[in-house]
Amino acid sequence: VQLVESGGGLVQPGGSLRLSCEASGFTFNSYSMKWVRQAPGKGLEWLSHISSDSKTIYYGDSVKGRFTTSRDTVRNSVYLQMNSLRPGDTALYYCARGKLSEGPGFDYWGQGTLVTVSS
Amino acid sequence: SYELTQAPAVSVAPGQTASITCSGDKLGRKYVCWYQQKAGQSPLLVIYESTKRPSGIPDRFSGSNSGNTATLTISGTRTTDEADYYCQVWDSGPGYVFGGGTKVTVL
Repeated sequence: VQLVESGGGLVQPGGSLRLSCEASGFTFNSYSMKWVRQAPGKGLEWLSHISSDSKTIYYGDSVKGRFTTSRDTVRNSVYLQMNSLRPGDTALYYCARGKLSEGPGFDYWGQGTLVTVSS
Repeated sequence: SYELTQAPAVSVAPGQTASITCSGDKLGRKYVCWYQQKAGQSPLLVIYESTKRPSGIPDRFSGSNSGNTATLTISGTRTTDEADYYCQVWDSGPGYVFGGGTKVTVL
């Protein structure tokens, strides 16, 4: 199983960025996918969930209305479109796979892509 | 909203048992998972469904959950267990919720 994020970088406040996460080594269509971020020196913050069939999508309160997640079954990829970015969105952004179990659990994580929001 | 509370830091001597707690309202009614994050690395799932270990996680790691408190126990702690540990639940309101994390120091 491998998850590789890309698309991070430096962006000005108010700007937009699209993150990608390419998955390999498993049946992508069978798993939900998540985005999680970690600000420098801080803890983990869940951002979004997209179900295996894209029919169920949830967002954390801090990004609701600004971020959008989607997935492409042909490219085995999940995306995070981030709009109206703020300095507080500066963080390492991870994608993760949802474990096939009763409860929560993100069983594989990428290495993350760094987003810096600054003028 | 739903909140999970963890102590910021725990110290343990090598070979001893480390107990990391996570508190939340009626937490015992929810499934809890735990992640280990070593410095400069991505998080690693070490416990899911409150008590289960993913494949490859040593049996030194165990979990329990009752009342308002979930506990991650590391038995025979090694220096390689030094890391930040995060608990997590799903709540129908806010979605996935992480605790603030506990830094475990082995000295």
